[in-house]
Amino acid sequence: DAGVTQSPTHLIKTRGQQVTLRCSPKSGHDTVSWYQQALGQGPQFIFQYYEEEERQRGNFPDRFSGHQFPNYSSELNVNALLLGDSALYLCASSGDAGADYGYTFGSGTRLTVV
Amino acid sequence: AQKITQTQPGMFVQEKEAVTLDCTYDTSDPSYGLFWYKQPSSGEMIFLIYQGSYDQQNATEGRYSLNFQKARKSANLVISASQLGDSAMYFCAMREGRDSGYSTLTFGKGTMLLVSP
Repeated sequence: DAGVTQSPTHLIKTRGQQVTLRCSPKSGHDTVSWYQQALGQGPQFIFQYYEEEERQRGNFPDRFSGHQFPNYSSELNVNALLLGDSALYLCASSGDAGADYGYTFGSGTRLTVV
Repeated sequence: AQKITQTQPGMFVQEKEAVTLDCTYDTSDPSYGLFWYKQPSSGEMIFLIYQGSYDQQNATEGRYSLNFQKARKSANLVISASQLGDSAMYFCAMREGRDSGYSTLTFGKGTMLLVSP
């Protein structure tokens, strides 16, 4: 049973460019959340997708946008990249059945903006 | 105010000894869940242990146990018999609300654990 798959694993972009990160959730999970983890910090919630809609959003600018596809996979898009966007981007999937479901994280995409 | 506070930036322990990593939390929601994750240098967040706010007993998973003191709002992770492979960053996280489908995780800043031979 595959866990959460993220691609690419590493990425280097130039300031002002746009980037797309991808996430395939764990089998059986239908909810995808994205987190940004700056160096030396804990992950910060960006947004969450369920049924192809953004359900919750953290304190991130509109440059950060996302999408969820019918197969539950998800993309995170960042426009007009800033140096401060350099971070590890983690995707977490979860089941939407209430109760105490755990979250499964991918290994992340390390984005470096130069 | 910080919702999750981890006051130990780094901890050192010798192999085979026990170590406690501290975590305090802040929430007014009566229903919440507390998680501990291990993050090695590869970046993956590895789930270790979970404690629900209504759980009567402290959670245990192998060498990991969670010392849950609800009145003090603390959820310390205890690792018994440390191994060299335990060297990593450890994060405490909280989910507020019962419906995990609508809940997100709030993380602390983490504690770096180094296990020496």
